[in-house]
Amino acid sequence: ETGVTQTPRHLVMGMTNKKSLKCEQHLGHNAMYWYKQSAKKPLELMFVYSLEERVENNSVPSRFSPECPNSSHLFLHLHTLQPEDSALYLCASTLGEGAVYGYTFGSGTRLTVV
Amino acid sequence: AQKVTQAQTEISVVEKEDVTLDCVYETRDTTYYLFWYKQPPSGELVFLIRRNSFDEQNEISGRYSWNFQKSTSSFNFTITASQVVDSAVYFCALRPNILTGGGNKLTFGTGTQLKVEL
Repeated sequence: ETGVTQTPRHLVMGMTNKKSLKCEQHLGHNAMYWYKQSAKKPLELMFVYSLEERVENNSVPSRFSPECPNSSHLFLHLHTLQPEDSALYLCASTLGEGAVYGYTFGSGTRLTVV
Repeated sequence: AQKVTQAQTEISVVEKEDVTLDCVYETRDTTYYLFWYKQPPSGELVFLIRRNSFDEQNEISGRYSWNFQKSTSSFNFTITASQVVDSAVYFCALRPNILTGGGNKLTFGTGTQLKVEL
């Protein structure tokens, strides 16, 4: 366990479903991130929350909707996804800018859209 | 624009061999940070090292060593006497200087799959 917990570990959903991914950390970090990892591609930053405020949205389609109710929890709400959205979704957290202490990643949620 | 290139998609070695994973980066920042992460089959990215751009001293940690060459924009990673437990995907990443507006985000390479066999 890295200190960042993601649930569920695996998720299969239909294109018309609505589901949510959850990320939780109790490391005292104040910034949280969603990354998408697709096969043969670099990890893509999706969203950044700093002090519970969204500070970055990397042109992500609106079918992905993040929520950060407090500094320990981060959600990614999913609806009407496409098969190409199948990927490993990784959550990370940092203390401050992350350069000094590094980024702590969770184990990810493996999402399959059918 | 930031870019990280890991040209080696997959490397297979026999246990106890030394192996070097290449990383080449592009950035217009004069100050930046470089990282290496290990991703075992369980999925999480495990932090290995962070390097400031103004510190070109090479680093050794046990069987791991890193060679930072600012002149060639490379940050290569060597595992000495590899072991089966080293089998994983290894990612090199670049983080810009936040003072130039780069924010907190890491730019990752595509990763190198390392397979260490008996």
